[in-house]
Amino acid sequence: EAEVAQSPRYKITEKSQAVAFWCDPISGHATLYWYRQILGQGPELLVQFQDESVVDDSQLPKDRFSAERLKGVDSTLKIQPAELGDSAMYLCASSFDSSNTEAFFGQGTRLTVV
Amino acid sequence: QKEVEQDPGPLSVPEGAIVSLNCTYSNSAFQYFMWYRQYSRKGPELLMYTYSSGNKEDGRFTAQVDKSSKYISLFIRDSQPSDSATYLCAFSPTGFQKLVFGTGTRLLVSP
Repeated sequence: EAEVAQSPRYKITEKSQAVAFWCDPISGHATLYWYRQILGQGPELLVQFQDESVVDDSQLPKDRFSAERLKGVDSTLKIQPAELGDSAMYLCASSFDSSNTEAFFGQGTRLTVV
Repeated sequence: QKEVEQDPGPLSVPEGAIVSLNCTYSNSAFQYFMWYRQYSRKGPELLMYTYSSGNKEDGRFTAQVDKSSKYISLFIRDSQPSDSATYLCAFSPTGFQKLVFGTGTRLLVSP
């Protein structure tokens, strides 16, 4: 069964360090989302890609977060420098297109900043 | 006022019970109403979604939307221990884009 792949599953980093997460969407899915889920809360959208273009990054803290999807397939989310408040689950999701097709979530990367 | 309100629980029920999970929302632009299930240390998975008002049934699960009251519900019949998870409501004006999630309700079904 096709699934969204994310790595690493867990990451511990010290504050002020750089950290990166990788996502490989389901093959053929043009739309890719990054969400952040703080413990005890629901996911919040950080950025949406349509192919290689950013469609919505209004909630992305651009002073320290960056996201790219250079070839319109896999994607990387980077935080530099990491802060204690960035500790959360980072979820990637993908959908066939940007209309009414279901978005499938990966298992996420659990980040702990110490 | 928060855009979406959801009781975090936990909600503990015995196996076989009927479970009712609810969310309220304030944004009248929401037209798509979803329920996701999230097991511990996993990503959310879509259970059901409804466009506009009405009811939708899928096996033991029934989703209801009352747009006039800005209130949605998920009912689980004959609950099983495998239903133990966090249930997230989610809303969007435009399908699966710009999903706005509730905080999630943790459900525990005991054998």
